Amino acid sequence: QVHLVESGGGVVQPGESLRLSCGVSGFTFSRHNMHWVRQAPGKGLEWVAFSDQNNRGTQQYADSVKGRFSGSRDYSKNMLFLQMNSLRPEDTAVYYCVRDSNYGFDVWGQGTTVIVSS
Amino acid sequence: QTVVTQEPSLSVSPGGTVTLTCGLTSGSVSTNYYPSWYQQTPGQAPRSLIYSTNSRSSGVPDRFSGSILGNKAALTIAGAQADDESDYYCVLFMGSGIWVFGGGTRLTVL
Repeated sequence: QVHLVESGGGVVQPGESLRLSCGVSGFTFSRHNMHWVRQAPGKGLEWVAFSDQNNRGTQQYADSVKGRFSGSRDYSKNMLFLQMNSLRPEDTAVYYCVRDSNYGFDVWGQGTTVIVSS
Repeated sequence: QTVVTQEPSLSVSPGGTVTLTCGLTSGSVSTNYYPSWYQQTPGQAPRSLIYSTNSRSSGVPDRFSGSILGNKAALTIAGAQADDESDYYCVLFMGSGIWVFGGGTRLTVL
């Protein structure tokens, strides 16, 4: 069975950093693009980052996080990561790890909560 | 900057049919945008309904269908049921690994 499990969320002050992790199981990690999607409290979904399935691990980011967030993969551990630097209060959200299949976001993790507050 | 548009709210009677749309502030949505649709109930992760315009995700009843209507992507729910009351989101592929979600539609079944 396909599972995505996020971890690493927490409460931090503005300007600090966090690293989110997503452990994947039940499918071949190297054959799927992956995404991070977030949802601020009471708000809609926002696409955050894309991780290409290829070995170069090409990344793309939403303008709102470009230059501050950085994604990566560890294929040996079947893990997806999101390094978040220079965090701002508006980054407060539930962050979901999502599998991409045929241009659809077909499997979602349960989410990990990030709170940025002084 | 192009924004993806959705109706903020819609309502449907039990057993009725409703169509939710997903458009662009500039330009038309086509299959090249690989529109997909997601259902979310409070406190839960989103669930995939439709991908690549009109392909149903595993386990999704055929009451849910996707299409292109005019210059927008559309999600049609037929035979609405009480548990269809949810938030619905579309997302469009903008190319080069960039995706943009719409603001979501809150569907009420009453």
